[in-house]
Amino acid sequence: QVQLHESGPGLVKPSQTLSLTCAVSGGSISSGSYYWSWIRQPAGKGLEWIGRIYTSGSTNYNPSLKSRVTISVDKSKNQFSLNLTSVTAADTAIYYCAREVVVVVAATSWFDPWGQGTLVTVSS
Amino acid sequence: SYVLTQPPSVSVAPGKTARITCGGDNIGSKSVHWYQQKPGQAPVLVIYYERDRPSGIPERFSGSTSGNTATLTISRVEAGDEADYYCQVWDSSSDPVVFGGGTKLTVL
Repeated sequence: QVQLHESGPGLVKPSQTLSLTCAVSGGSISSGSYYWSWIRQPAGKGLEWIGRIYTSGSTNYNPSLKSRVTISVDKSKNQFSLNLTSVTAADTAIYYCAREVVVVVAATSWFDPWGQGTLVTVSS
Repeated sequence: SYVLTQPPSVSVAPGKTARITCGGDNIGSKSVHWYQQKPGQAPVLVIYYERDRPSGIPERFSGSTSGNTATLTISRVEAGDEADYYCQVWDSSSDPVVFGGGTKLTVL
């Protein structure tokens, strides 16, 4: 079965760029009608969707983060990545990657499975 | 932007039925999905398409929608069901993906 695993620096300085990678195993990132998403969760708070990418390269982003977010995919490595620029303490959170099942005709999507998450702290 | 409202907490005795609600404008027109998140773990999908269960999720978990409220029902609650539960929809008019604020289920 498909598994996802996030990796990247656990500490980022304010104003710098947060960069994370999600490695997909147990299946090809290009197979099926799946999107690949990033979601974050500040400590003790709820879930916030960051954005998604399809293997064609098509992306959608949360409007509240759109100006700072870039999601890219590397099909040869079976992974996708997140870049978040100009970070502040408010970006401190656990970052999850997840496979997103999108059913366009029904205008719906859900996330399954999720990676185990990686904590990113923004601090000098 | 679209808002999903969940009660912060729900408590239930073992063996009883827990109902966790998720309110949203015209939510009946959307497909609602539910996730379970245990402490220190990633969320797990427990209900999709409002009432379908992924493989491995017990039949004790069920979903429904009526009016402006979606409900996750957990029958015969067990201690292992203690977790945070989140509802989620896709709202094409604003943020493509919206999560509720989460409900902490406590098993007494």
